[in-house]
This record gives sequence, C-alpha cells and structure tokens, in this order.
Amino acid sequence: DQQVKQNSPSLSVQEGRISILNCDYTNSMFDYFLWYKKYPAEGPTFLISISSIKDKNEDGRFTVFLNKSAKHLSLHIVPSQPGDSAVYFCAATDGNYGGSQGNLIFGKGTKLSVKP
Amino acid sequence: DAGITQSPRHKVTETGTPVTLRCHQTENHRYMYWYRQDPGHGLRLIHYSYGVKDTDKGEVSDGYSVSRSKTEDFLLTLESATSSQTSVYFCAISESNRDRRDEQYFGPGTRLTVT
Repeated sequence: DQQVKQNSPSLSVQEGRISILNCDYTNSMFDYFLWYKKYPAEGPTFLISISSIKDKNEDGRFTVFLNKSAKHLSLHIVPSQPGDSAVYFCAATDGNYGGSQGNLIFGKGTKLSVKP
Repeated sequence: DAGITQSPRHKVTETGTPVTLRCHQTENHRYMYWYRQDPGHGLRLIHYSYGVKDTDKGEVSDGYSVSRSKTEDFLLTLESATSSQTSVYFCAISESNRDRRDEQYFGPGTRLTVT
C-alpha cells in the first residue's frame, strides 16, 4: 500500500511560469515532509521541508504548502527555470522511533521539464 | 556537498554471484541507509544503520544483508544476485533522524545489472 503518492509522473512548464508539484499521503501519523530533487546519474539532493505544525515554508523560489486535513502537500517553484528540470521526490516520516526510527517514505517522483 | 562516496559506480554481474557495494562517508554521521531506485517505485529503503554494528531492516530487505564495522563504512551485500536486484542503489547519511530538521544526504549511486 503506497503511503506517499505522486500521481503525476511528469509535468511540463514554460520558463518563468509557476511549477506546482503535488503529493498526497495516507498515513495520518506522518508529521514531517521533505522534497528532494534528482538529476540524472546523480543522487537526490534535499530541497525543502515542512513540519506538520506549519502550513507553509518558503525558501527562495521554492515554497511548500501543507494541507493536513486533505493529507496533501505541494511544491511551488516560481519562477521556473530550465535548470529546475529534474525528478522531484516527495518524502514523509512519522517519527516512529521505536520501529522505523523515523525513516523516510518516498513517493515515486514527478519529472519536471522546464522549457525555455 | 556531503562527503559520501559509493563504490563501485557501475557493476555487471551474473545471477547467483555474490556482490558487495560499499558506502563511505567522511561526515562522521551516525545514521546510514541503503535505498534502491526502480522505475515506477521511487526510492525504497533496504536497510539502515543507527550506529556501528547496529542495523535494521527496511521495506525491501529480502535478499540483502548489511554490515557496519566502522562509522564511515556501510556495506550492502547481495548474497546471491538475482535479476530482480538489477537497480540503482543509493547510500544516504544523516546526523540524527530524531531531529526533524535533519535531512538525508545521498551518495552518487551505484548502477547494478544482474544478467
């Protein structure tokens, strides 16, 4: 059963416009969420995170929004740049320190293409 | 960039042979992880370590074993490789995943092909 879902395998946007990547989760115990960015032939790199006590976190062009009631989060990139073209993974953790030790559960990823 | 290296970076092996992948860190981080990435599956945790000689299973641990005899090294072993273990393997580290502000830092990956 997939606990973290990224239902859009791909997304294409024009340079300068907004990119919105979505992520849904099913486990109500998740309380910390992260976004990772991955270029081909490289490891994922941390992008931005949000705690469940917040509904928004912003870092430069990147903003993550969390809607706990809907179990939904989104990553906004404004303005989008060609260098943002990559696969974006959503991840979540429940902080179950006795069992999973707060390990991350990843979605399948969304491939973003930003066209010049 | 976090000091994480993986070796080898690419390997082709035959079904039934043992394979060991190495992850080496220079950050002195406590936690280390092994993931595999497959099309349509994202990143899935194989095993992780929360200290020297302290390891535990992840989501997809069958067919894999790990060892951590030193803080800096985390080894992933496929005792008898199968074609279903063809994948890209990533190692990751974190200072402490009890601190929600800590994210995991990933290595460059090892592409393993089992023929």
